[in-house]
Amino acid sequence: VQLLESGGGLVQPGGSLRLSCAASGFTFSTYAMGWVRQAPGKGLEWVSGVSHRGDSIYYADPVRGRFTISRDNSKNTLYLQINNLRVEDTATYYCAKGSTGYSPFDLWGEGTLVTVSS
Amino acid sequence: DIQMTQSPSSVSASVGDRVTITCRASQGIRSYLAWYQQKPGKAPKLLISAASTLQGGVPSRFSGSRSGTDFTLTISDLQPEDFATYYCQQASSFPLTFGGGTKVEIK
Repeated sequence: VQLLESGGGLVQPGGSLRLSCAASGFTFSTYAMGWVRQAPGKGLEWVSGVSHRGDSIYYADPVRGRFTISRDNSKNTLYLQINNLRVEDTATYYCAKGSTGYSPFDLWGEGTLVTVSS
Repeated sequence: DIQMTQSPSSVSASVGDRVTITCRASQGIRSYLAWYQQKPGKAPKLLISAASTLQGGVPSRFSGSRSGTDFTLTISDLQPEDFATYYCQQASSFPLTFGGGTKVEIK
């Protein structure tokens, strides 16, 4: 049972990245999923959540309009498209599985680091 | 948005001590409150859901309680592996929000 994120890296302000989260060991299509980020040395910040079917989506205000969450249940994969990146988006991005409903999160990936810098 | 005010931000304690961490919600969240433990360089781990339900495999020295909009995580008989940062999180409404964290350090 695991989540494995990929797609992080160093990007210039205004750039884009697509994060992926591959799920295994559980029935991915029956659970809501989310992204949580953590800036270096800071606390946890919820970013976005998606229902198990992908038809209900929620965003935190700082990312709404720039980030897009999606999922492909046929590939057991969660995505986060992040556009128009800002320096303050620099963080480790965690993929997380909802236990009952959207939260709390009972399974987390190891995280992928996104660094926004010129 | 629901604000989660967590205190203290850090606490120094010794092995065997009892540690209490508090989280106050800015409005009612019923019992939609979770506690996580995070160790340096690692992902958070869910300890408690629904304010007081211990997750499988979590030692019984961890407990959670609720009084109105105040929530408490108690670690009794602190063990070396418990030195970490703890976060509360409300799961009542979007946006989901976390407390600022409490770092439990070795005295």
